[in-house]
Amino acid sequence: AQSVTQLGSHVSVSEGALVLLRCNYSSSVPPYLFWYVQYPNQGLQLLLKYTTGATLVKGINGFEAEFKKSETSFHLTKPSAHMSDAAEYFCAVSLYNTDKLIFGTGTRLQVFP
Amino acid sequence: DSGVTQTPKHLITATGQRVTLRCSPRSGDLSVYWYQQSLDQGLQFLIQYYNGEERAKGNILERFSAQQFPDLHSELNLSSLELGDSALYFCASSGRLAGNEQFFGPGTRLTVL
Repeated sequence: AQSVTQLGSHVSVSEGALVLLRCNYSSSVPPYLFWYVQYPNQGLQLLLKYTTGATLVKGINGFEAEFKKSETSFHLTKPSAHMSDAAEYFCAVSLYNTDKLIFGTGTRLQVFP
Repeated sequence: DSGVTQTPKHLITATGQRVTLRCSPRSGDLSVYWYQQSLDQGLQFLIQYYNGEERAKGNILERFSAQQFPDLHSELNLSSLELGDSALYFCASSGRLAGNEQFFGPGTRLTVL
């Protein structure tokens, strides 16, 4: 069965510092992988996704993620954090033959000035 | 704005009652998904409809049901409500199957007293 593990329910960084949010998945076949962001009292917005092709995926707001099959990971990074990046981030997977998203438990990112 | 609308935004009701949550997908999207977000369970997939037909079922209780109408809007019916049903319910839509981005609505916050 598919599952997603997000290491660290809370991550705090200083403005301008590197952001690294970790995501590992468990799947018997290569899945589709997604990162969503949720701002307070809002719905989820897609940051980026990996389906096939290039393993380094660039998304919105300067975020990117790299699919590493050997490590079953899809970590999210941003070189320089901005105050507006403070939000909750969810990693999700789906399989090629199903559309439902399986979400991780989320990581709350705090950015300090 | 994702283009997915959900009504109502907030719903407060009592145990044992029945409520209906409504979702209008993005124009042209045939798939509608329902997710539940709660503090103890996180984000969980409930059910998916594709062009009026049920396509996939997740952790949806028997007290819950959904349908998708010919105009593609969807309704999630929750009956015999319990305190534990208090959660944020999201609707999402996508244009085609597997791997495509799901666009999320702003959610309906249900409070059961």
